Amino acid sequence: RKEVEQDPGPFNVPEGATVAFNCTYSNSASQSFFWYRQDCRKEPKLLMSVYSSGNEDGRFTAQLNRASQYISLLIRDSKLSDSATYLCVVNPDNYGQNFVFGPGTRLSVLP
Amino acid sequence: EAQVTQNPRYLITVTGKKLTVTCSQNMNHEYMSWYRQDPGLGLRQIYYSMNVEVTDKGDVPEGYKVSRKEKRNFPLILESPSPNQTSLYFCASSKSGGGTGELFFGEGSRLTVL
Repeated sequence: RKEVEQDPGPFNVPEGATVAFNCTYSNSASQSFFWYRQDCRKEPKLLMSVYSSGNEDGRFTAQLNRASQYISLLIRDSKLSDSATYLCVVNPDNYGQNFVFGPGTRLSVLP
Repeated sequence: EAQVTQNPRYLITVTGKKLTVTCSQNMNHEYMSWYRQDPGLGLRQIYYSMNVEVTDKGDVPEGYKVSRKEKRNFPLILESPSPNQTSLYFCASSKSGGGTGELFFGEGSRLTVL
């Protein structure tokens, strides 16, 4: 079983739609969680960290369920510019920064 | 401008010909790391460094070497490249150790080994 799993997609949604991505991780001792965004042929960039209580940044909401070892990202009112691959990232511990990346979920927002 | 710079961005080489991919950051970050990205596999960590002269293996270190003689530089060395090292490589840096630091990535180096 892979350490971090994501539905690869692609998710094709119309502008204005709400879309949710899921991610599961295998290491129950994992401490830190993130969503990164990667545009086509570009480097990944941090979208948001994921906190235990859940957190929101504008149209983006991240949730963490430690019991189910599950992370989610919700995008409301999708924009064309949201088209990208979304990477779920887990750090098994808070030392050494051994980040583990999921394979990514590709989103295409259509006009 | 704060950035992570990798060179070369694109390289085609032949099996066995030693090559080095350079990585430099201007943010005074302690932590640096190298990843490779392959379709369907995501980013996998090759090596990382917590500080000068401190390096450690990631998940896929075989066939690679690194060094950290200066804080700003973290070159990736392929002593004898093979076709299975054809990949997209990213260097990344972060302010400090610990899982809360944001990773800043270079633009990537696309390597083809024939």
